[in-house]
Amino acid sequence: DADVTQTPRNRITKTGKRIMLECSQTKGHDRMYWYRQDPGLGLQLIYYSFDVKDINKGEISDGYSVSRQAQAKFSLSLESAIPNQTALYFCATSEARGQGATQYFGPGTRLTVL
Amino acid sequence: SQKIEQNSEALNIQEGKTATLTCNYTNYSPAYLQWYRQDPGRGPVFLLLIRENEKEKRKERLKVTFDTTLKQSLFHITASQPADSATYLCALGRRDSNYQLIWGAGTKLIIKP
Repeated sequence: DADVTQTPRNRITKTGKRIMLECSQTKGHDRMYWYRQDPGLGLQLIYYSFDVKDINKGEISDGYSVSRQAQAKFSLSLESAIPNQTALYFCATSEARGQGATQYFGPGTRLTVL
Repeated sequence: SQKIEQNSEALNIQEGKTATLTCNYTNYSPAYLQWYRQDPGRGPVFLLLIRENEKEKRKERLKVTFDTTLKQSLFHITASQPADSATYLCALGRRDSNYQLIWGAGTKLIIKP
């Protein structure tokens, strides 16, 4: 996990606040992903990026935006946080090769929106 | 609707026995399936990948099977140890969506000494 870092690890905020979650990686991977994890649900893809100029929406992108500042950095923003965005957020990376590339995850950010 | 199902109830296994976890899917045509392990407060860690044309893969004490007719993957841990206790996630790689992964919710495995 040390190859993929996320900051902050925990954050409590209030409804309506803007929040940025940051992800950095030293694996040299082109592909980066943001997921959220809720109890009893599978990981849900928010956004993914295949390189600095290629950013794509995932299945639940509403209310979120992202920025790929460099190959190593991928940030997730909640423009106006709402309580149902309370969740565990993971950043992941993978190599840009064929099918089945392993995803490497960061330690997660636990976000609570009051 | 498309979905992936894993046992939501925790699986309790005696140390030394074989643990078998199930991953069922509907309405997908997966190119491959992956299994990950997740410990509390940590991100998932990759364990094994099996492709649609493969029936079985092994890695040390781990074995994965993939039956595209039954739309099911089984994940086995032989000679289980308390250190194997964790939540295990399956994830399907869809051929129609840039091979993005669709995740199950995971099964919590508890190995009792």
